[in-house]
Amino acid sequence: DAGVTQSPTHLIKTRGQHVTLRCSPISGHKSVSWYQQVLGQGPQFIFQYYEKEERGRGNFPDRFSARQFPNYSSELNVNALLLGDSALYLCASSWRTGGGFVWYFGPGTRLTVL
Amino acid sequence: GESVGLHLPTLSVQEGDNSIINCAYSNSASDYFIWYKQESGKGPQFIIDIRSNMDKRQGQRVTVLLNKTVKHLSLQIAATQPGDSAVYFCAENTNAGKSTFGDGTTLTVKP
Repeated sequence: DAGVTQSPTHLIKTRGQHVTLRCSPISGHKSVSWYQQVLGQGPQFIFQYYEKEERGRGNFPDRFSARQFPNYSSELNVNALLLGDSALYLCASSWRTGGGFVWYFGPGTRLTVL
Repeated sequence: GESVGLHLPTLSVQEGDNSIINCAYSNSASDYFIWYKQESGKGPQFIIDIRSNMDKRQGQRVTVLLNKTVKHLSLQIAATQPGDSAVYFCAENTNAGKSTFGDGTTLTVKP
């Protein structure tokens, strides 16, 4: 079975631009979460979606937004990019929302902002 | 606020030795914990999980211990192999399904 897939693998943008990252969950998983991982640190929670509804949001500015589609895939959008947005963006999926479930991570999208 | 931290940022062991990676958490209400392994250029990979009603759980070559009294958990890797070299994270799952990660321990296995 395919795991969580993310596209693109790498991306280079300049300050002020916007970016869209995409994620396809494991088949049968209905919940998707997004994380930002800065080099040398653990992943930081950005968003969680379940059945197309936002179920959680981390401490990120409104420049960050996301959505989930009927097929449970998801997009993360970041507007007005800053140098500090350079990071590995991880998508994870699980069967449902709530605690007590393992989240399976994709390989990530490496975003570099120049 | 809640946080999950690891005691040591780096750990170096000889191939064949046992490894112990430690993690402290601060939210006493936490009831589910996961250990992840992250290799360079990849996303975190699930290793083993444990619920708060358990003290110990074993997998293949890995064991997780949970001490709720001192809010500490550890990951033990038996007969460590070069392929075990990676960054290891403990994560706490909240009721909302958000995983809170520590900053990781980099395990290096020397041949």
